[in-house]
Amino acid sequence: SQKIEQNSEALNIQEGKTATLTCNYTNYSPAYLQWYRQDPGRGPVFLLLIRENEKEKRKERLKVTFDTTLKQSLFHITASQPADSATYLCALETTDSWGKLQFGAGTQVVVTP
Amino acid sequence: DTGVSQNPRHKITKRGQNVTFRCDPISEHNRLYWYRQTLGQGPEFLTYFQNEAQLEKSRLLSDRFSAERPKGSFSTLEIQRTEQGDSAMYLCASSPYLGQGSHGNTIYFGEGSWLTVV
Repeated sequence: SQKIEQNSEALNIQEGKTATLTCNYTNYSPAYLQWYRQDPGRGPVFLLLIRENEKEKRKERLKVTFDTTLKQSLFHITASQPADSATYLCALETTDSWGKLQFGAGTQVVVTP
Repeated sequence: DTGVSQNPRHKITKRGQNVTFRCDPISEHNRLYWYRQTLGQGPEFLTYFQNEAQLEKSRLLSDRFSAERPKGSFSTLEIQRTEQGDSAMYLCASSPYLGQGSHGNTIYFGEGSWLTVV
């Protein structure tokens, strides 16, 4: 069966450190992988998209890697700040599900001063 | 504000009642999506429209769920004969679609409509 797995335990990290989140998938061949941020009671907000033929993407303090051999994406927040505290969701889009994102359950990040 | 707008934001209803949620997408976006999210889970895809055409509805959770986008602008999601298990956040999202071969578009979500069935 198809699965998208993200760490279910919250990631507690000190301000200034790098937070690294994982997204593993099985029985998918994603063409695109996206990362979203979600604050409590709010809708998800798009952060980054990476294509299957890309290894790495960066945006300001965010970095995403995509390894289709390992079937894994890593999401890094460098120089983390308390304002980065949120739940981060990964989502896959495959060639037979264009426009329909399949989401993981998300990982909560808590950045303490 | 030109983001995706959802109404109402919160709805408490008694079991067995019908509820309807409205979504106004970003104006130039021709694709509109409905997702459902329960506590501790990621959003779950329900259905989507391209303009007024509903391109997939097989993921709607039961025949009590229906969605429309009559003029290709706003959309409604109706749940008939609500059950306690329908309690969740219903998210609407929109994106542009620029034709065959244009994929991987950013999808913009609204703030969601919370449903509590008592």
